[in-house]
Amino acid sequence: KAGVTQTPRYLIKTRGQQVTLSCSPISGHRSVSWYQQTPGQGLQFLFEYFSETQRNKGNFPGRFSGRQFSNSRSEMNVSTLELGDSALYLCASSLDRTGAKRGRTDTQYFGPGTRLTVL
Amino acid sequence: AQSVAQPEDQVNVAEGNPLTVKCTYSVSGNPYLFWYVQYPNRGLQFLLKYITGDNLVKGSYGFEAEFNKSQTSFHLKKPSALVSDSALYFCAVRPPNTGFQKLVFGTGTRLLVSP
Repeated sequence: KAGVTQTPRYLIKTRGQQVTLSCSPISGHRSVSWYQQTPGQGLQFLFEYFSETQRNKGNFPGRFSGRQFSNSRSEMNVSTLELGDSALYLCASSLDRTGAKRGRTDTQYFGPGTRLTVL
Repeated sequence: AQSVAQPEDQVNVAEGNPLTVKCTYSVSGNPYLFWYVQYPNRGLQFLLKYITGDNLVKGSYGFEAEFNKSQTSFHLKKPSALVSDSALYFCAVRPPNTGFQKLVFGTGTRLLVSP
């Protein structure tokens, strides 16, 4: 099975611009989560999407948004970029089987990430 | 609030020797615990997880981890380290009693295995 794919792998933008990152989950996976990784803050949860609905959100400003499509592919958007948005953005997918406990135990599998540099 | 601590920024070990990467957690209730590894310019690769059952969990590439509820620890171990094990290791916890997929990560431990 193909793994999680993210495009593009590298992006360079300038302050004030906006950017859209894309994530294709593993086939059959219904949950997609996004994380930001920086040297200073480490790995931080951005948000999670399930069945085209945002199910959970981390502590990030409203400039960070996302969506999920009917085929479970997901995009995240960052508007009005700031220098501090430079980071590796990681997408993860999981099966999220129905049934409360089973879904919680499913593993998240990560993509290779998109390296965003804001100049 | 849920949190994970990895007290060592770096662990150095000689090839062939056993390795341990430490992780402690703070979660109310029964936690779901995970270990991931990250190689340079790569995403996170899943190694193993503890959900319930046997406290010793075996994972990929010969790694294992021991869940210790009384010490709230989930240390990663391998009996014999390889140079190729050199990478950044993250411990993570998923808060219980929620259907969501959010992971809370530790700060990471860099493992350096010398030949």
